[in-house]
Amino acid sequence: DAGVTQSPTHLIKTRGQHVTLRCSPISGHKSVSWYQQVLGQGPQFIFQYYEKEERGRGNFPDRFSARQFPNYSSELNVNALLLGDSALYLCASSLQVSSYNEQFFGPGTRLTVL
Amino acid sequence: DQQVKQNSPSLSVQEGRISILNCDYTNSMFDYFLWYKKYPAEGPTFLISISSIKDKNEDGRFTVFLNKSAKHLSLHIVPSQPGDSAVYFCAASNTGISSGSARQLTFGSGTQLTVLP
Repeated sequence: DAGVTQSPTHLIKTRGQHVTLRCSPISGHKSVSWYQQVLGQGPQFIFQYYEKEERGRGNFPDRFSARQFPNYSSELNVNALLLGDSALYLCASSLQVSSYNEQFFGPGTRLTVL
Repeated sequence: DQQVKQNSPSLSVQEGRISILNCDYTNSMFDYFLWYKKYPAEGPTFLISISSIKDKNEDGRFTVFLNKSAKHLSLHIVPSQPGDSAVYFCAASNTGISSGSARQLTFGSGTQLTVLP
């Protein structure tokens, strides 16, 4: 069974640009979460989606948005990129949204903003 | 304000010995705790978890201890193996504020474990 997949692997953008990151969950998983991991820190929660609805949002500005598609894949969009948005963006999937099931992480997308 | 803290950025242990990784938390609403392991260029991998109603959970070489009164948990790895060398993240979660809302994970900053052969 394929794990969580993310694309692209690496991305370089300049300040002010827009970026879209993609995630495909494990087959059968209906919940997708997005995390930002800045160098030297742990992952920080951005969004969680379940059945195409936003079920949770972390402390991130409105420049960050996301959506989930009928096949449960998800996109994370970031507008007006800032240097501080440079980070590893992790996607995690789980069976349900509010259960004790552990979240399974993808390898991440490394975003560099110049 | 860091709600989950891992105060040791790194730890080195001899192969075969015990590795003890520590984690402290401040939010008393956390009711579920997890440990993840992360290798370079990979996403975090779930290791072991513990509910707040327990004080110990064991899975093979890995044991997690929870001290609720001290808001402290630890991960014990016995015996340590070179393949255990990785960054270990402690994470905590609590039920969302309403039914069906997200069970968010709050991570610590990680501890780099190096197991020396």
